Amino acid sequence: AQKVTQTQTSISVMEKTTVTMDCVYETQDSSYFLFWYKQTASGEIVFLIRQDSYKKENATVGHYSLNFQKPKSSIGLIITATQIEDSAVYFCAMREVRNNYAQGLTFGLGTRVSVFP
Amino acid sequence: DTTVKQNPRYKLARVGKPVNLICSQTMNHDTMYWYQKKPNQAPKLLLFYYDKILNREADTFEKFQSSRPNNSFCSLYIGSAGLEYSAMYLCASSRAGSQNTLYFGAGTRLSVL
Repeated sequence: AQKVTQTQTSISVMEKTTVTMDCVYETQDSSYFLFWYKQTASGEIVFLIRQDSYKKENATVGHYSLNFQKPKSSIGLIITATQIEDSAVYFCAMREVRNNYAQGLTFGLGTRVSVFP
Repeated sequence: DTTVKQNPRYKLARVGKPVNLICSQTMNHDTMYWYQKKPNQAPKLLLFYYDKILNREADTFEKFQSSRPNNSFCSLYIGSAGLEYSAMYLCASSRAGSQNTLYFGAGTRLSVL
């Protein structure tokens, strides 16, 4: 069974700085996919960025980037030039394959990010 | 359009009464999911449909039912609500394939009294 762990409960940063969030995972699969989502104040969960386990390059989308360290089973999220609206709960998630078809995502507990002016 | 729609946004239910939540998507995704989210907890997968095949998680197998009469529509049914069912219920959809992301609806906040 897979497991996703986010140890940071909350992080506070000043606007326009960089924030880094940690995530470690456990899986028996040789190929897997890692995702980051954020939950807004309204409760909506929004997809941010994905890392494919077979790719060595770190994924980057806009001001989101990933620090993928496969030997450490780690997938950190980096947000540069943070804005007030980046304040949210950020979830790390993993997708496994079972019985030859994809299952749902397994999520971590989330990290609450507060961005202050 | 990556919209997943859930109705209603808020629902109040009485203990012991049934609850039916509705989700729709227009992206022609073959897989639809239901998650339960409680405060300070990770979203928990309850069940999902791949096409017409229902997969329910082992620890919630008897608590939730679902139907998918067509590709676009999926419901979540609770036969007899208990206080522990109070939570946000999130519907999501995706194309088949592990690499494909899930798109979530805004959720239905269920309060059981």
